[in-house]
Amino acid sequence: DIQMTQSPSSLSASVGDRVTITCRASQGISNSLTWYQQKPGKAPKLLLYAASRLESGVPSRFSGSGSGTDYTLTISSLQPEDLATYYCQQYYSTPPTFGQGTKLEIK
Amino acid sequence: QMQLVQSGAEVKKPGASVKVSCKASEYTFTSYYMHWVRQAPGQGLEWMGVINPSGGSTSYAQKFQGRVTMTRDTSSSTVYMELSSLRSDDTAVYYCARDLGGSGSRLYWGQGTLVTVSS
Repeated sequence: DIQMTQSPSSLSASVGDRVTITCRASQGISNSLTWYQQKPGKAPKLLLYAASRLESGVPSRFSGSGSGTDYTLTISSLQPEDLATYYCQQYYSTPPTFGQGTKLEIK
Repeated sequence: QMQLVQSGAEVKKPGASVKVSCKASEYTFTSYYMHWVRQAPGQGLEWMGVINPSGGSTSYAQKFQGRVTMTRDTSSSTVYMELSSLRSDDTAVYYCARDLGGSGSRLYWGQGTLVTVSS
């Protein structure tokens, strides 16, 4: 199975900050990466897929990049409603596997 | 608006089985694979398997082989996930998720079903 490692595990940032979350795969995954946002007590919500393609309806302050084994999720200007845990997931091979999550707190 | 509505919370004893349902609406049920993912309290997401609602074929995570069964009823647009020989560490929220993009690339999730295993 492909292992997905996110960093940091948690972070605290202020409204308006630029925030970056990193996801590293144990082998190359050819941009087969999705990012989800999970707010407390809710189901995960799709943000981006194919590493950088923004899902319809997702604010443009969210963006993704990367290649090979290393990928990033960036929030260009943090908003209060972005309080959540963020997960990456690879779908390059079965089984799909998730990172352990990055908990984002608002200062 | 596509909807996935899951069955309600369950409390089970160790060794028992649980069957969780996921009813789809507002889209063509047989056109999209359905995944099951679980999340233990305070933990991350764990993929359990996937079912093709069209033909009923399944693929399960090795960890759950022999304990999980995923089925579907096309007449009611419902998929089911049954987990047997429950243990305390099976306590989790179980999610169904529609695979919009194929290969697990774009998942749209149900609201989740809490299964508690306790003696």
